[in-house]
Amino acid sequence: GAVVSQHPSWVICKSGTSVKIECRSLDFQATTMFWYRQFPKQSLMLMATSNEGSKATYEQGVEKDKFLINHASLTLSTLTVTSAHPEDSSFYICSARDPSYEQYFGPGTRLTVT
Amino acid sequence: AQSVTQLDSQVPVFEEAPVELRCNYSSSVSVYLFWYVQYPNQGLQLLLKYLSGSTLVKGINGFEAEFNKSQTSFHLRKPSVHISDTAEYFCALSRGQAGTALIFGKGTTLSVSS
Repeated sequence: GAVVSQHPSWVICKSGTSVKIECRSLDFQATTMFWYRQFPKQSLMLMATSNEGSKATYEQGVEKDKFLINHASLTLSTLTVTSAHPEDSSFYICSARDPSYEQYFGPGTRLTVT
Repeated sequence: AQSVTQLDSQVPVFEEAPVELRCNYSSSVSVYLFWYVQYPNQGLQLLLKYLSGSTLVKGINGFEAEFNKSQTSFHLRKPSVHISDTAEYFCALSRGQAGTALIFGKGTTLSVSS
């Protein structure tokens, strides 16, 4: 089956710094990728929809200047958390949609902001 | 607005017993429904999905689910669980046509003990 990877799997950063998370579709092209956020013991909440070659579409309440999304190629989308704060600590999961509209999820990235 | 409700936050069960994880949805349009499993610190794995056709859907690992339009339900079942089925299970609904972002329920923790 199709594989989606995320890097890094776990990152710790200091408050005020920025961190970039990569989402890659390894064996298919993904014109659309989705970024979700999951708090401990809670469900996944959609943050934004990332479309290759265009601006991301953010969900209501998600700060687009804080969570920068770049979908520069058909196999890579990045999420940059700028000026991170402890409340940004969470599990970030991406999914990529293949040409048949099937979605595949990455393994997630755990961000801890100290 | 569309929503997904998982009626049980935790379901404890003994090994080899049957289990049902309940999911109800709300939508004013046709839906696509999914069940995912998440093991600790991992991403999501698709168990099964309902797009159209037969209302009884069979998935991986011996799971199946039945789509009931009149009751707006999509309950997940397994006739005999194993210790390895211990995980978090999420019911999800596609926001529009296939391949769009998903709306997730809050999850059900299935705990299988011997």
